[in-house]
Amino acid sequence: QVQLVESGGGVVQPGRSLRLSCAASGFTFSNNGMHWVRQAPGKGLEWVALIWYDGSNKYYADSVEGRFTISRDNSKNTLYLQMNSLRAEDTAVYYCGRLTNWWIDYWGQGTLVTVSS
Amino acid sequence: QTVVTQEPPFSVSPGETVTLTCGLSSGSVSTSHYPSWYQQTPGQAPRTLIYNTNTRSSGVPDRFSGSILGNKAALTITGAQADDESDYYCLLYMGSYIWVFGGGTKLTVL
Repeated sequence: QVQLVESGGGVVQPGRSLRLSCAASGFTFSNNGMHWVRQAPGKGLEWVALIWYDGSNKYYADSVEGRFTISRDNSKNTLYLQMNSLRAEDTAVYYCGRLTNWWIDYWGQGTLVTVSS
Repeated sequence: QTVVTQEPPFSVSPGETVTLTCGLSSGSVSTSHYPSWYQQTPGQAPRTLIYNTNTRSSGVPDRFSGSILGNKAALTITGAQADDESDYYCLLYMGSYIWVFGGGTKLTVL
């Protein structure tokens, strides 16, 4: 069955960097685009970024454009989110999700990122 | 910037039918937005309920259905049950490989 497992969350100071990972299994990872979605404490879901199945194209929400970079390693079945210049408002649970056509069909369990001094 | 709108918190009695909607601050929602719906309970990851406007995800009970109603996407729960008490989010494809979630609706069943 499809499994997505995020890791790499933690507490980080404002202005610092963090890299999240999402390990995929149960499907042919290189066939699907992948999303990152986040959820601030007590708030709704926010779409963050998308990467195409082959990594050739990447798209970002305005709130993270220029600071976050989505990437993937299809040989390792792993999705990444490099987060630089972190701000307090980036504090959230970060989920990876599998893109099928134009929607998300599978989700990981999430990893919490806390930006605080 | 276009905002995706959903209802404020909603309360229904068990067995009632409830329709949640997903609109745009400017314009109409259509099938070209490929509306999808997600259910989330506190502390859990979202669960995909409906995709491509009206297709139920595997394992989703048939009391959940999706549609376009007027100028909005809609999620209807026919005969709400206690364990349907959750937050519900819609997601719209806005074109140019950009997606936007609605703000979510908290549904209480009591």
